[in-house]
Amino acid sequence: LAKTTQPISMDSYEGQEVNITCSHNNIATNDYITWYQQFPSQGPRFIIQGYKTKVTNEVASLFIPADRKSSTLSLPRVSLSDTAVYYCLVGTGYIPTFGRGTSLIVHP
Amino acid sequence: NAGVTQTPKFQVLKTGQSMTLQCAQDMNHEYMSWYRQDPGMGLRLIHYSVGAGITDQGEVPNGYNVSRSTTEDFPLRLLSAAPSQTSVYFCASRLEAQTYEQYFGPGTRLTVT
Repeated sequence: LAKTTQPISMDSYEGQEVNITCSHNNIATNDYITWYQQFPSQGPRFIIQGYKTKVTNEVASLFIPADRKSSTLSLPRVSLSDTAVYYCLVGTGYIPTFGRGTSLIVHP
Repeated sequence: NAGVTQTPKFQVLKTGQSMTLQCAQDMNHEYMSWYRQDPGMGLRLIHYSVGAGITDQGEVPNGYNVSRSTTEDFPLRLLSAAPSQTSVYFCASRLEAQTYEQYFGPGTRLTVT
């Protein structure tokens, strides 16, 4: 299973773009990169998933360099409601592993 | 679609009691799983199922049982509750086992005294 490393916490301000980077040096050929968002007292919410290059949806963008050893979740123009924990998962198969995630706090 | 539903939302048990946490999904997903989340921690996989009649253990299965008689339902049973099982429990489902795109329920907060 690919081990992931992401910052424990980040701070930002409303209206800024936030980039959260996840390192996964031992990613396997078949592994996907998946990001979740979790608000307090709620279940995680799937945000975005990718395999290579760039993926964009209505919520975020995911940038994956050619070597796939890292990935960056980009949240455009964050608001207070984006304050949450963000998890990066790497792998495929039956047993996804959640780390402690990155706690993002957005300030007014 | 209701997505993934869980009952109850809150539960308090005494040590040694048993109970079943309910989970249901209406998305016709084959893969379902149970996680627990302790304060300040990520989620840890308890048990999972790849289809009706098929279950397997995750990272932390001790003290829990599961069964999967239908595609929709995946109950989690605590056999003899212990204080160490105080946690928030999440059920999740996904369409494909190959990717990690999962949909989670709202959770059950369990306290064992």
